[in-house]
Amino acid sequence: AQSVTQPDIHITVSEGASLELRCNYSYGATPYLFWYVQSPGQGLQLLLKYFSGDTLVQGIKGFEAEFKRSQSSFNLRKPSVHWSDAAEYFCAVGAVGEKLTFGTGTRLTIIP
Amino acid sequence: GAGVSQSPSNKVTEKGKDVELRCDPISGHTALYWYRQRLGQGLEFLIYFQGNSAPDKSGLPSDRFSAERTGESVSTLTIQRTQQEDSAVYLCASSLDRGNFYEQYFGPGTRLTVT
Repeated sequence: AQSVTQPDIHITVSEGASLELRCNYSYGATPYLFWYVQSPGQGLQLLLKYFSGDTLVQGIKGFEAEFKRSQSSFNLRKPSVHWSDAAEYFCAVGAVGEKLTFGTGTRLTIIP
Repeated sequence: GAGVSQSPSNKVTEKGKDVELRCDPISGHTALYWYRQRLGQGLEFLIYFQGNSAPDKSGLPSDRFSAERTGESVSTLTIQRTQQEDSAVYLCASSLDRGNFYEQYFGPGTRLTVT
């Protein structure tokens, strides 16, 4: 069965600092991987996705993620965070036409 | 175009009452998903509709939960005899046909509080 692990429940970074959110997955085939962001009181918004090809994918809001098959990871990165990046971030794995399996999320707090 | 909409945005109900939550997917999206998000937790899959195929109900937590969808339009999630543990945000998402790479578009959710 597929699963997603986000080992960090809560991360605090200073505004302007770099960010890396971890995601590890378990999936029987080549996974389709996603990162979603959920701002307070909002629905989920897709940041980026990986289906195939280049293992470094660029997303919206300056985020990127790198797929590493050997490590079963799909970590999310941003070189310089902004206060508006404070939100809950969810990693998900799935396949075309199937339900997504989500991680439990990482809550990001930005301090001035 | 319009995104996924859900109603009501908030629902407070008494334990034991039935509730009905509505989801309007993006026009043309054949797939529709319901998820539950308890406070401080990730998303829990509930049910998935794909066109006229039999829905995937594997995530429904009990027989008190049911969902319907007419064709490729609106879906309703019904919770009968609500319990306090049903309190959560219920999220709906829709996506294009399973034959294509897909992206799930989420609605803003319905916050259900059972008192």
